[in-house]
Amino acid sequence: AQSVTQLGSHVSVSEGALVLLRCNYSSSVPPYLFWYVQYPNQGLQLLLKYTSAATLVKGINGFEAEFKKSETSFHLTKPSAHMSDAAEYFCAVSEAGNQFYFGTGTSLTVIP
Amino acid sequence: EAQVTQNPRYLITVTGKKLTVTCSQNMNHEYMSWYRQDPGLGLRQIYYSMNVEVTDKGDVPEGYKVSRKEKRNFPLILESPSPNQTSLYFCASSSRSYNSPLHFGNGTRLTVT
Repeated sequence: AQSVTQLGSHVSVSEGALVLLRCNYSSSVPPYLFWYVQYPNQGLQLLLKYTSAATLVKGINGFEAEFKKSETSFHLTKPSAHMSDAAEYFCAVSEAGNQFYFGTGTSLTVIP
Repeated sequence: EAQVTQNPRYLITVTGKKLTVTCSQNMNHEYMSWYRQDPGLGLRQIYYSMNVEVTDKGDVPEGYKVSRKEKRNFPLILESPSPNQTSLYFCASSSRSYNSPLHFGNGTRLTVT
């Protein structure tokens, strides 16, 4: 079974600062990788997904993630945080479109 | 509109009283699953289904049942709920094709007293 590790259960950044949320996965084969965002009292929405076409993936709301096979990482970044980015973020891995495995989530706080 | 619909959104019940949380998707997805979300533990999979009449246990199946009689519906059944099943529950579906993401419902917040 896969495992997904998100370092930092809580991350705080100032408005306008760089956002970096870390995700590492365990896999011996190329996985399917996703980032989801959960706003308060809502379900999870897809932020972005990795495709083998490019290692740098762009998602919605200015977020992007870089796939680094050598580091088994898929960290999420945004150059400039906005207040509306405050939410819970989950990294997920799937095996051939079947089982999905989630990290424990990172709560992002944006300080005005 | 493509969506996963869960009902109810909120449910308060007592220990031992059977309940069902419904989940329906209109995207003709083969794969459906249930998760529970608890603080500090992220999402943990309860059960999943690859297709009609095919269900499998996830990581935390104890105390839950599911059925998949139709492709669009995947109800979660708690035959004798206990307080440790108080949680936020999510249903999700996927097409199982390459790189297909999960589509989530809005969640059901269950409280068992």
